[in-house]
Order: sequence, then structure tokens, then C-alpha cells
Amino acid sequence: AQKITQTQPGMFVQEKEAVTLDCTYDTSDQSYGLFWYKQPSSGEMIFLIYQGSYDEQNATEGRYSLNFQKARKSANLVISASQLGDSAMYFCAMREGRADDKIIFGKGTRLHILP
Amino acid sequence: NAGVTQTPKFQVLKTGQSMTLQCAQDMNHNSMYWYRQDPGMGLRLIYYSASEGTTDKGEVPNGYNVSRLNKREFSLRLESAAPSQTSVYFCASSVLYTSSQETQYFGPGTRLLVL
Repeated sequence: AQKITQTQPGMFVQEKEAVTLDCTYDTSDQSYGLFWYKQPSSGEMIFLIYQGSYDEQNATEGRYSLNFQKARKSANLVISASQLGDSAMYFCAMREGRADDKIIFGKGTRLHILP
Repeated sequence: NAGVTQTPKFQVLKTGQSMTLQCAQDMNHNSMYWYRQDPGMGLRLIYYSASEGTTDKGEVPNGYNVSRLNKREFSLRLESAAPSQTSVYFCASSVLYTSSQETQYFGPGTRLLVL
């Protein structure tokens, strides 16, 4: 069974609108971490934001926020005021258990920002 | 700081040839990872290392071996390359600063073509 599910293969959004990229996860561990990454067409992987399972507040980093709904096992990425440069692949990832345990990825969502 | 470096950037192999992908990080991180990225598959974990001297299998370890040479270096070896191993390979390292802050850094990737 997939541990990380990203149900939107692709999305088209008008510039300056807010964007929500969906991510659901599956784990029985109480301790885990959730990550979001951006991969532009140039291919590099860029870390965006992290949420620990014990954090009660949603993580925020500039225009990025993580909408963490623990009971629903959901960790959606919200990008406010989208820009053309936000066009990229976005990956959700999870680390289960110990802080030094493996980090596994979803299949990604391709985001297109329209001018 | 150079962050995470990988060599080579690009490699062409013939079926049955062997090669080692090199990865090094200068951030004093304990955890290191090897992923492969194929179109439509996201990133799949091959092997990871929680600390110097330890390695563990990820999601797709068959056909690969790894060595955690020291804290800085984590190499990936293909003993007998197959066309199915054509992919982009990413090395990464991670650090847990606090329970609310964990980050994973990626190298630029190695494009491998097996003919």
C-alpha cells in the first residue's frame, strides 16, 4: 500500500491565486515527520517546509504553509499568491518513526501557473 | 559549504558494466540517502544510512550496493548494470534540528543511461 498519496497529477492555477496541493499519508507510528519539496524543470530538489507529528501548529515558511490535519492523515501544501516561478513538480514525503529513519516520497503533483 | 555533491553528473554504461556513484556532504549530517527518479514514479528510496557504519534497504534495493565510507561519504554501486537502471539518481542528507525542524538536502543528481 502506498504510504504517501498525492492524488493530483497536474494542476493549472491562475497567477496570484492561492494553491492547495493535496497529500495524504499512512502510518501507525505516533512520531513522524512530513516534508514538501519543489522540483523545477532544471531538476534540482528544493526543500520547502517540514511538519513534525507532535506540532500542533501548522508550519509556515514565507508563502508556503502546511495544512496539517492529523486525524485525517492529511498534510496539504498551501502556496499563497502564486507566481509564475512556482510552476514545478511538488513532492510530499514522510519520515516514520525515529529521527534517523527513512524518508519516502509520493509521486508528485505538477503545478502550472498561468499568466 | 558545498552542501551535497555527487559525481559524475552524467554516465553512459553498457549492460553488464559496473560503476560507483559518489556522494559527499559537508554539513556533518548523520543520515544519508540514495533515491532514483523515473518519469511518473516520483523518488524511490534505494538505500539509506542513519549513521556512519550502518546501512538499510529502502523500497528498491535490488541490483545496488552501498557503502557509508565515513560520515561525509555514501556511495552507490551498480555491480552489473541493466537497462532498467536507467534513471536519475539523487543523493541526500538530513538533519533533525528540533522536533519541529528537520531538513533534507539533495545533491544535483546523476543521470545514468544503460544501453
